[in-house]
Amino acid sequence: AQSVTQLDSHVSVSEGTPVLLRCNYSSSYSPSLFWYVQHPNKGLQLLLKYTSAATLVKGINGFEAEFKKSETSFHLTKPSAHMSDAAEYFCVVSDDSGSARQLTFGSGTQLTVLP
Amino acid sequence: DADVTQTPRNRITKTGKRIMLECSQTKGHDRMYWYRQDPGLGLRLIYYSFDVKDINKGEISDGYSVSRQAQAKFSLSLESAIPNQTALYFCATSDFGRGDTGELFFGEGSRLTVL
Repeated sequence: AQSVTQLDSHVSVSEGTPVLLRCNYSSSYSPSLFWYVQHPNKGLQLLLKYTSAATLVKGINGFEAEFKKSETSFHLTKPSAHMSDAAEYFCVVSDDSGSARQLTFGSGTQLTVLP
Repeated sequence: DADVTQTPRNRITKTGKRIMLECSQTKGHDRMYWYRQDPGLGLRLIYYSFDVKDINKGEISDGYSVSRQAQAKFSLSLESAIPNQTALYFCATSDFGRGDTGELFFGEGSRLTVL
C-alpha cells in the first residue's frame, strides 16, 4: 500500500522569497515520486520526477525537490517565488511493485504569491 | 490544438440523467485514465485502460462506466447521475513505450454539476 501526505493545504509567500511545499510518502516498494502543478482552469502538468537516480531532482521553472528516504519526504522548493507560480501543487507517489502502475495523489497545496 | 482534449468542458445536468464525457488524444499513447478531482481530496482514479481491449477499475469506479473506442478515444459515462458526482473530471494519458516513467499528460478537465 502507498500513501502521500501534503502537510500544508495552503502556503502563502511574498514574491522573491523562497517556496517550500512539504510532502511525506509511504510505500512498500522503492517509490517513484512526482510533483505536478495545476494552474487555474488547466490540467495538471509535470514539474519534476524522482525515479531512483539522483536524490536531488531539478524541474521546470526553477523548482527542485530532494528525495530523503530516511525521512520519507520529497519536499518541493524554489529559491525565489514569482507571481506566475501561484497554483495548486500535487505530490504523487507511484508503486513500483511490478504490477500495473498506480499513482496516488496527495490532497494538494494551494500556493499564493503576494506582491 | 491540445494533445488531450476533453468534451464538454462544462456541463450542468439533473439527477438521474445519463452523461458521457469524452476524451481524445493525439499523443499516440496506449494508456488512458479517468480521474476525479474534489477539493481537498486530490485526484482519484476512476478507470484506466492500457490498450483498446483492456479496461480496469480504479479506486472509485462505482456509478461510472467507460468505453475505449479506439487507441485515441476513451469515454466516461455516468448512467444515472447523482449530486455527489459533481466534480472536476480529468482524462490523462501515459506512454508505456518510454519505460512507463509514470508521467501523465492531462486534458484541461470537464466540470460536471449534478443538480
